[in-house]
Amino acid sequence: EVQLVESGGGLIQPGRSLRLSCAASGFTFDDYAMHWVRQPPGKGLEWVSGISWDRRDTGYADSVRGRFTISRDNSRNSLYLQMNSLRSEDTAFYYCARNTIMDYWGRGTLVTVSS
Amino acid sequence: QSVLTQPPSESGTPGQTVTISCSGSNSNIGSETVNWYQQVPGTAPKLLIYNNNHRPSGVPDRFSGSKSGTSASLAISGLQSEDEADYYCATWDDRVNGRVFGGGTKLTVL
Repeated sequence: EVQLVESGGGLIQPGRSLRLSCAASGFTFDDYAMHWVRQPPGKGLEWVSGISWDRRDTGYADSVRGRFTISRDNSRNSLYLQMNSLRSEDTAFYYCARNTIMDYWGRGTLVTVSS
Repeated sequence: QSVLTQPPSESGTPGQTVTISCSGSNSNIGSETVNWYQQVPGTAPKLLIYNNNHRPSGVPDRFSGSKSGTSASLAISGLQSEDEADYYCATWDDRVNGRVFGGGTKLTVL
């Protein structure tokens, strides 16, 4: 069974940094591209970042480019999102999703940026 | 303001067919395939349709997708109460060089 489990969310002050993790199981992790998608409470979905299976290609939404960094460790079946210079508008549930078509999603982790 | 435009809400009665539209441009829907996601409030999104009109295993054939030019549609036939959810279209956009989502459509089953 495919499982994606996000962790690392919490309450953080503006300007600080946070690192999210996504633990994958039930499939061959290094066969798939992976993505981060976020959703502010009560609002719609926003693609944040994606990474190819071999880490060669990465992409970012304009809203996070230069502040967030996506990475993966295929030996640990894990996906990461390093978030720096956090802003209040980064407050959201953060989901990791598998594959270009995002066929499986985790349950999400909530990041709240507030003083 | 989403790159892909969806109606904020749609509604229907049990048994009816409802269609949700997703309007884009040549830089996204016009040149890429479209996926649709269903999100029941409080849960993670679920893939409903991929590559315009393909259903993952386990998705009922009451759900169907189509694409024409710079627009796509999701049709739900034989509407059921359990279909009440938010629906999102998504694709790649060459102009922003990233994936984009529609603003979402809240479906109410009356």
